[in-house]
Amino acid sequence: QKEVEQNSGPLSVPEGAIASLNCTYSDRVSQSFFWYRQYSGKSPELIMSIYSNGDKEDGRFTAQLNKASQYVSLLIRDSQPSDSATYLCAAPLTGGFKTIFGAGTRLFVKA
Amino acid sequence: SAVISQKPSRDICQRGTSLTIQCQVDSQVTMMFWYRQQPGQSLTLIATANQGSEATYESGFVIDKFPISRPNLTFSTLTVSNMSPEDSSIYLCSVEDTDTYEQYFGPGTRLTVT
Repeated sequence: QKEVEQNSGPLSVPEGAIASLNCTYSDRVSQSFFWYRQYSGKSPELIMSIYSNGDKEDGRFTAQLNKASQYVSLLIRDSQPSDSATYLCAAPLTGGFKTIFGAGTRLFVKA
Repeated sequence: SAVISQKPSRDICQRGTSLTIQCQVDSQVTMMFWYRQQPGQSLTLIATANQGSEATYESGFVIDKFPISRPNLTFSTLTVSNMSPEDSSIYLCSVEDTDTYEQYFGPGTRLTVT
């Protein structure tokens, strides 16, 4: 199993819907998780960090961490066409020194 | 969060030549990283560059091909040597907050080798 796995998509949702992006991880990563957004032709931008079990909300974004099932999710409420991007899940390897990035999920929000 | 700049933003180079990419950070940071990203692909870590020590290279990347300098806590360079078309990619530098593990990326350098 890869350290961090994501469905590459694409995931297509209509404007105003909830977009749900998922990521699973192995025992080889530590318990800090990050979601980065990458627009086409741009570099990744950190949008959410989550360190403890449960939900963390920031505006229209909610990150969910379930340590028992080893998955982390990003929910985007009231999706907008401007949310169309690739979303990368990431976590540092246990022991630090390197962060593992998932392959990314491409999200399309249709107007 | 740190503000990171990279030079050049893009370049077109001939096979067999070398290009040095610069990464400048607006604050002192311990850990800097160099990544490569092929179109439509995720990030591939080339090496970790910590000030005062030799860079640590990932499997598949060697110092002769990708020499890295890290002369101080705000600056690093990555050289892509003896380039071939397979080196065409986007090269990104990033810095990490050592307390939170959050990473912040430069705008990238788009390299095309002809």
